[in-house]
Amino acid sequence: GENVEQHPSTLSVQEGDSAVIKCTYSDSASNYFPWYKQELGKRPQLIIDIRSNVGEKKDQRIAVTLNKTAKHFSLHITETQPEDSAVYFCAASSSYIPTFGRGTSLIVHP
Amino acid sequence: EAGVTQFPSHSVIEKGQTVTLRCDPISGHDNLYWYRRVMGKEIKFLLHFVKESKQDESGMPNNRFLAERTGGTYSTLKVQPAELEDSGVYFCASSRQFDTQYFGPGTRLTVL
Repeated sequence: GENVEQHPSTLSVQEGDSAVIKCTYSDSASNYFPWYKQELGKRPQLIIDIRSNVGEKKDQRIAVTLNKTAKHFSLHITETQPEDSAVYFCAASSSYIPTFGRGTSLIVHP
Repeated sequence: EAGVTQFPSHSVIEKGQTVTLRCDPISGHDNLYWYRRVMGKEIKFLLHFVKESKQDESGMPNNRFLAERTGGTYSTLKVQPAELEDSGVYFCASSRQFDTQYFGPGTRLTVL
């Protein structure tokens, strides 16, 4: 089955800095890669996703890159703000059931 | 549109007791999924309903877990009898087709 590794487990940055979270996957058949953000006490929410026919996707301050050959994908957040503080989960799927990483706790210090 | 709702938000029970978790998906979403996150670990798939039918229950840990979705609307997940290792946050998600899944707020289950 699919195995997703996510790093780092904790990331602490100063407001305004960039943050990068990296994930690797094992199943070359995976073709859909969503990222979820879970704020404290709230539900995981999809913030961006990418499919395997695309190498990069941007949405304002967040971007995701995908390297199919190396089987890794990354989330980039620029100009971080305190409200970006949350747990971020990457996932990979070849069907409708995503395999999630363990999550990265991002802390943005004002 | 109203989001996915789950009840209760928290449940504390003793080992050997029974607990039933409920999930109400977004109206019109035929697909309903249950997941569990044990502290510090990944969100793990438990099972998937399409309407009232179990499409995939490969993630269910053992036969102490029973999920139902009678009538294809809300779903329940019963744990009987609960064990210590069942503690975690149980998430429900729903989707219209096999696309974006919308998560509920989760039920935090603590088994003492």
